Amino acid sequence: QSVLTQPPSVSAAPGQKVTISCSGSTSTIGNNYVSWYQQLPGTAPKLLIYDNNKRPSGIPDRFSGSKSGTSATLGITGLQTGDEADYHCGTWDSSLSAWVFGGGTKLTVL
Amino acid sequence: EVQLLESGGGLEQPGGSLRLSCAASGFTFSIYAMSWVRQAPGKGLQWVSAISGSGASTYYADSVKGRFTISRDNSMNTLYLQMNSLRAEDTAVYYCAKGGVGATGGMDVWGQGTTVTVSS
Repeated sequence: QSVLTQPPSVSAAPGQKVTISCSGSTSTIGNNYVSWYQQLPGTAPKLLIYDNNKRPSGIPDRFSGSKSGTSATLGITGLQTGDEADYHCGTWDSSLSAWVFGGGTKLTVL
Repeated sequence: EVQLLESGGGLEQPGGSLRLSCAASGFTFSIYAMSWVRQAPGKGLQWVSAISGSGASTYYADSVKGRFTISRDNSMNTLYLQMNSLRAEDTAVYYCAKGGVGATGGMDVWGQGTTVTVSS
């Protein structure tokens, strides 16, 4: 059971938009920045969004992040087949002094 | 180029020990916190441990506390994870990552992972 809650899977057609939710608590998302990680099949995770809504260099602006209260959302527009991957949210838990992740969401581009 | 390269994984019996290493290059290793994150087959990411840049502060997941020890050698730009009293549930790919103490900045660089299998 993950501390952060994500839907197990989402799907959408190429060119469409999809959102992935990440729900936490006051001690996690409520009081800390959220980051998102993309994990393509058979590869290591890659930072996609940090500090709720910032993109590292090289990440296209099709990817966006937002946070409200104890929940965060990853948005992906203009879906491409190459976006098929697992997406993980993560943050620091101030009560546990530990990093926590969501269970991951598998994105299928139909 | 910023790079992390893990090594030390392998097959170990329950109750045994392994030491993982993570060689860092391309950034000033000593000023950044570092983390270990694992992923069991078919499962999500699980944070294991983190250490501050100086090494003075360490953090552990409850599932490994008392069995695993994180450390670093800033003169060698290397991060370590000593794993003792291994259990079957420790079987996973282990990644080292830059960052992970506090949420600011996220974990911005990841290694390719090293596989640990605990089985008799």
